[in-house]
Amino acid sequence: AQTVTQSQPEMSVQEAETVTLSCTYDTSENNYYLFWYKQPPSRQMILVIRQEAYKQQNATENRFSVNFQKAAKSFSLKISDSQLGDTAMYFCAPLVISSGSARQLTFGSGTQLTVLP
Amino acid sequence: EPEVTQTPSHQVTQMGQEVILRCVPISNHLYFYWYRQILGQKVEFLVSFYNNEISEKSEIFDDQFSVERPDGSNFTLKIRSTKLEDSAMYFCASSGRELAKNIQYFGAGTRLSVL
Repeated sequence: AQTVTQSQPEMSVQEAETVTLSCTYDTSENNYYLFWYKQPPSRQMILVIRQEAYKQQNATENRFSVNFQKAAKSFSLKISDSQLGDTAMYFCAPLVISSGSARQLTFGSGTQLTVLP
Repeated sequence: EPEVTQTPSHQVTQMGQEVILRCVPISNHLYFYWYRQILGQKVEFLVSFYNNEISEKSEIFDDQFSVERPDGSNFTLKIRSTKLEDSAMYFCASSGRELAKNIQYFGAGTRLSVL
């Protein structure tokens, strides 16, 4: 079974500043993906960014980037030029690829990010 | 942009009643999932569904739960006799073919309140 740890229950950042959310995970598998999802007050789950574990290059999606350290099993999310609309709960979620077709995400406990004007 | 649609957005029911939560996955997707999130807690996997059968289910997904794909577009979660502890946000997700099958897109959720 996978475990996911998000050690920062709450964080805040000033608008236009940069913030990094941390995530560590534990899996014995070698083939997996890592995702960050955000959940704004509407409670919809929105995909932010993904990283394939076999890729060394860190994923980037506009203002969002990750720092993936496979050996340390660490997967942090950096948000640059924070905007008020980034205020949300952020979840780290590994997805292990095992035999068969099932693919289940394992979610961390989340980090509530508040962007301050 | 295609999206996963869930109805209703909020369902209120009495304990012991049956509820059906509905989802319309993205049209060319093949894999379907249900997750739930009890208020203030983690999002938990319930069940995955592929090729008209359950692929995997968690310990939470007991005999009170069932899933169905009654036609080519809908994917439903039925709770046979609701309990107070079933109150939660229920999310449907779907994913596509090949590499895209590893990317799950979520609906906006159905908030279930059991009284």
